[in-house]
Amino acid sequence: EVQLVESGGGLVKPGGSLRLSCAASGFTFSTYSINWVRQAPGKGLEWVSCISSSSSFIKFSDSVKGRFTISRDNAKNSLYLHMSSLRAEDTAVYYCARDLGVVAGQPVLDFWGQGTQVTVSS
Amino acid sequence: SHELTQPPSVSVSPGQTASITCSGGKLGDKYACWYQQKPGQSPVLVMYQNTKRPSGIPERFSGSNSGNTATLTISGTQAMDEADYYCQAWDSSTGGVFGGGTKLTVL
Repeated sequence: EVQLVESGGGLVKPGGSLRLSCAASGFTFSTYSINWVRQAPGKGLEWVSCISSSSSFIKFSDSVKGRFTISRDNAKNSLYLHMSSLRAEDTAVYYCARDLGVVAGQPVLDFWGQGTQVTVSS
Repeated sequence: SHELTQPPSVSVSPGQTASITCSGGKLGDKYACWYQQKPGQSPVLVMYQNTKRPSGIPERFSGSNSGNTATLTISGTQAMDEADYYCQAWDSSTGGVFGGGTKLTVL
């Protein structure tokens, strides 16, 4: 069974940093691109970032570019989102999601984790 | 355009057909995906590459994409289909783009 489990969320002050993790199981993690998607309270989905299977391709949304970094450890079946210079508007549930990989360069998110809550507040 | 526009809400009677649209510049030149999200749950992929249904998604779900508009159609809508639906596409310059979401009410 495919599983993605996010962790690392919490309450952080504006300007602070946080590292989210996504633990994968039930599939060959090293062969799939993975994305981060977030959802602010009561709002819609917002794409945040993606990383290819070998980490050779990485992309960020304009809203987090320069503040967030993404990495993965295929040996540990794990994905990370390093968030810095956090702002109130980064408050959201953060999901990691697997890219089905049917179309190169066009993510299709076929499995999602349960999400981890990040709250940025003083 | 890097934005995808969806109607905020759509209502349908049980057993009838619901159509949810997603509009964006040259969307027809891209592949559209659709996700269903029920309250308190993670999104679920219900359509990809405009017209393909993932395993486990009922046949009553179908999709199309032409011109500037992608459409998710639910035939014989059931109460269990009540949820928020999001379209998504990829822009080579800005990355992933989601529509604002449509709340489908079955009443």
